Amino acid sequence: EDKVVQSPLSLVVHEGDTVTLNCSYEVTNFRSLLWYKQEKKAPTFLFMLTSSGIEKKSGRLSSILDKKELFSILNITATQTGDSAIYLCAAAKTSYDKVIFGPGTSLSVIP
Amino acid sequence: DTEVTQTPKHLVMGMTNKKSLKCEQHMGHRAMYWYKQKAKKPPELMFVYSYEKLSINESVPSRFSPECPNSSLLNLHLHALQPEDSALYLCASSQAGGGGNEKLFFGSGTQLSVL
Repeated sequence: EDKVVQSPLSLVVHEGDTVTLNCSYEVTNFRSLLWYKQEKKAPTFLFMLTSSGIEKKSGRLSSILDKKELFSILNITATQTGDSAIYLCAAAKTSYDKVIFGPGTSLSVIP
Repeated sequence: DTEVTQTPKHLVMGMTNKKSLKCEQHMGHRAMYWYKQKAKKPPELMFVYSYEKLSINESVPSRFSPECPNSSLLNLHLHALQPEDSALYLCASSQAGGGGNEKLFFGSGTQLSVL
């Protein structure tokens, strides 16, 4: 059975800290790994990773995929209170349009 | 236009009611999805339409009935729901066909309460 696991499930940090969120997956016919941020309702897209070892960056956020060890990390540097959200990791399959979500990491950034 | 629009935003219904959730996108995407999300849980896939045909039904009870009238619209018809069906229902779209097109765009959801 396809599975996406995230850790930690919950995290509280102070503004300015750097955080690392983890995602591991066991998915047949794996195509890509996606990261989303969910603050209130709609998850918003952060990154899509298809190749191992290539870091993707957007401002203070970065992410990398290891297809051999079947995991990805999402780094957030110099955290701000606006980074407080649930961060969802998802795996997309090649064979059809199916995207499987992990349980999410709830990040709280306190001033 | 990179928006997925869902209506209504909130819905309260009784167990004997019939209602519909609507979703619309104008990005030319050919895959559309319904996800169900309970509080503090990840989105759970319900249905996928690919090129207006139902391609995935994740063993969803028949009281949920999806419909894709055209490539821009997706409906979810609700009938005889149970209180445990109360959740946030998210619609999403993508370009379809895998191969790098799996980036999902989500709507803001319909918060459904079943009394």
